[in-house]
Amino acid sequence: KQEVTQIPAALSVPEGENLVLNCSFTDSAIYNLQWFRQDPGKGLTSLLLIQSSQREQTSGRLNASLDKSSGRSTLYIAASQPGDSATYLCAVRKAAGNKLTFGGGTRVLVKP
Amino acid sequence: DTEVTQTPKHLVMGMTNKKSLKCEQHMGHRAMYWYKQKAKKPPELMFVYSYEKLSINESVPSRFSPECPNSSLLNLHLHALQPEDSALYLCASSLQGVGEKLFFGSGTQLSVL
Repeated sequence: KQEVTQIPAALSVPEGENLVLNCSFTDSAIYNLQWFRQDPGKGLTSLLLIQSSQREQTSGRLNASLDKSSGRSTLYIAASQPGDSATYLCAVRKAAGNKLTFGGGTRVLVKP
Repeated sequence: DTEVTQTPKHLVMGMTNKKSLKCEQHMGHRAMYWYKQKAKKPPELMFVYSYEKLSINESVPSRFSPECPNSSLLNLHLHALQPEDSALYLCASSLQGVGEKLFFGSGTQLSVL
C-alpha cells in the first residue's frame, strides 16, 4: 500500500527566504506526482504535475523535482512572499486510472 | 472557463434532512470526483465518475448518493447524515481519465447538527 509522507508538518520562514518542501512515498512505481496548494477552508489549487518519466517541472518561482528511485519529491519556492502562506500537499498516482494518495501536507507561514 | 464551481459554499443540516451538493464545470472534462476533507487532514476520495458512469466508489456509506446527470454536472445527495460527516466536501474534474491533472472547486463546508 502506497504511503505518502510530508515532513515537516509546519514551517515558518521570513519573507524572501527560499522554501523547501519535502514529499516521500514508499512505492516507487508511480505514474505521476502532483503538488497542490490549499488556503484555509478552500479547495486545492494544482501547482505542478510531474510525470514518472520527468525529473522536474518549473512554473515561475516554483520548481518541483522527482527522484523515483529514492521515493522523493521536493517543491522549491524561491523568494517566498507572505502570499505563499498556505498548506502544500503532494499526491501520487500509482498507475493511470488509480486514485491519488495524498500526503498530510506542510503548513507554511511566511512572515513579513 | 477554467473553474469548477460548487454550491452551496456552506451548509448546515440536521440528521433527518435531505440536501444536495452541486458541482459544475465547463472545461469539457469527462472525469469528475467527490472528495471529503476533515480539518487538518488530506482529502479522501469518495467517488469518481468517468464519462458519466460511476467508476470508483470508495466504500462510502449509502447515506451519500452521487449523481452525474451530464458531463458538466455532478451532484452529491445527502440523507440521514451523522455529525461525524461534518467536513469540507470537494469536487474535482480532469480532462478524461483519472491519470491527469485535477482541478478542484472551492468546496462546500458541511455541518451536521
